[in-house]
Amino acid sequence: DAGITQSPRYKITETGRQVTLMCHQTWSHSYMFWYRQDLGHGLRLIYYSAAADITDKGEVSDGYVVSRSKTENFPLTLESATRSQTSVYFCAASLGLAINYEQYFGPGTRLTVT
Amino acid sequence: GEDVEQSLFLSVREGDSSVINCTYTDSSSTYLYWYKQEPGAGLQLLTYIFSNMDMKQDQRLTVLLNKKDKHLSLRIADTQTGDSAIYFCATLSGGSYIPTFGRGTSLIVHP
Repeated sequence: DAGITQSPRYKITETGRQVTLMCHQTWSHSYMFWYRQDLGHGLRLIYYSAAADITDKGEVSDGYVVSRSKTENFPLTLESATRSQTSVYFCAASLGLAINYEQYFGPGTRLTVT
Repeated sequence: GEDVEQSLFLSVREGDSSVINCTYTDSSSTYLYWYKQEPGAGLQLLTYIFSNMDMKQDQRLTVLLNKKDKHLSLRIADTQTGDSAIYFCATLSGGSYIPTFGRGTSLIVHP
């Protein structure tokens, strides 16, 4: 049971380039999330999705775009990468049931923008 | 919105108990979680507590909830070097499916 996979695990790109980070779940959890993790800020929510074709902005969505055409995939695109987007990016999924909203996290993608 | 606060670092000696504290602001928080992040990995749920509980124990882990003071703590008994990680407190308010995370507490266990 692979759970959540993210690719690539490491990426170096240049300022101004478009970058897409992939997230795939082997389940069919309704809710998926993208976070970035930075020193001193902890986890900050970028975008989330309640189901296929339903997405919404989080706390730090500027400069990012998401799509969710299939339940199992939730790619995150940096339209024109900036140095401030150097971070570790985590994808997560949850069932969204009333009893327990535990989030399952992927291993993360470390992105460096030069 | 909800604000969740944690101290950034905690250092303990192997074999001692560790207590990681968390305060939150939203009194309607219904689920409170502790996640553990090991180096180079994503977060994993360690334990959780419902807001109608005061305490939950799971082997070496004890979670205490003081709703009046909006204070959550995680106690790790007999701390081992393998417990070295970042611990995140998270809360979920009624009707929401998006948890609010604290900044994480780095637990350093030394011999």
